[in-house]
Amino acid sequence: GQNIDQPTEMTATEGAIVQINCTYQTSGFNGLFWYQQHAGEAPTFLSYNVLDGLEEKGRFSSFLSRSKGYSYLLLKELQMKDSASYLCAVRDSNYQLIWGAGTKLIIKP
Amino acid sequence: TAGITQAPTSQILAAGRSMTLRCTQDMRHNAMYWYRQDLGLGLRLIHYSNTAGTTGKGEVPDGYSVSRANTDDFPLTLASAVPSQTSVYFCASSEWGQADQPQHFGDGTRLSIL
Repeated sequence: GQNIDQPTEMTATEGAIVQINCTYQTSGFNGLFWYQQHAGEAPTFLSYNVLDGLEEKGRFSSFLSRSKGYSYLLLKELQMKDSASYLCAVRDSNYQLIWGAGTKLIIKP
Repeated sequence: TAGITQAPTSQILAAGRSMTLRCTQDMRHNAMYWYRQDLGLGLRLIHYSNTAGTTGKGEVPDGYSVSRANTDDFPLTLASAVPSQTSVYFCASSEWGQADQPQHFGDGTRLSIL
């Protein structure tokens, strides 16, 4: 079967750095997405990785290792507004997205 | 503002009643999707449509039906609602066949079945 694993919840301090991990086992791989979802709102797109390595976008970076079935989202200089759930999703061989349950990130002052 | 519009925003429905959740997009995306999101679970795909006139079943299609008469609209119908269908429903759209294109989401419909 297909499976995406992420930690359920993480806590970090304002101004610090946090790494949210995602491991996957899917039928085929056509890229990995990270989305941010604030409570009560829709998911919004953050990043896409299809090749191994690190993609940087401002305070957010996303890393992929296809051989390990592993990705992480790195958030730097954390701000209170970064408190949200972060969703990992893999595009499988049928071009559908398989979603993890999400990681709830709590930022403390 | 361009994007996806869902209606209603929220609804309380008696079990056994039928209901249609509406979804309209103005981005001219060929693919559209319906998901449900429940606490502790990831987004689960109910039905999808890769292009107008075609639909497909996702992971949890039972109790739901969809139609795709044109590019912009993708309504989801619950024929006879049951309490287990209480959930937040998200409609999304994307360009089909382009792996790097993300899905864009509507604001969701919060549905309670009593």
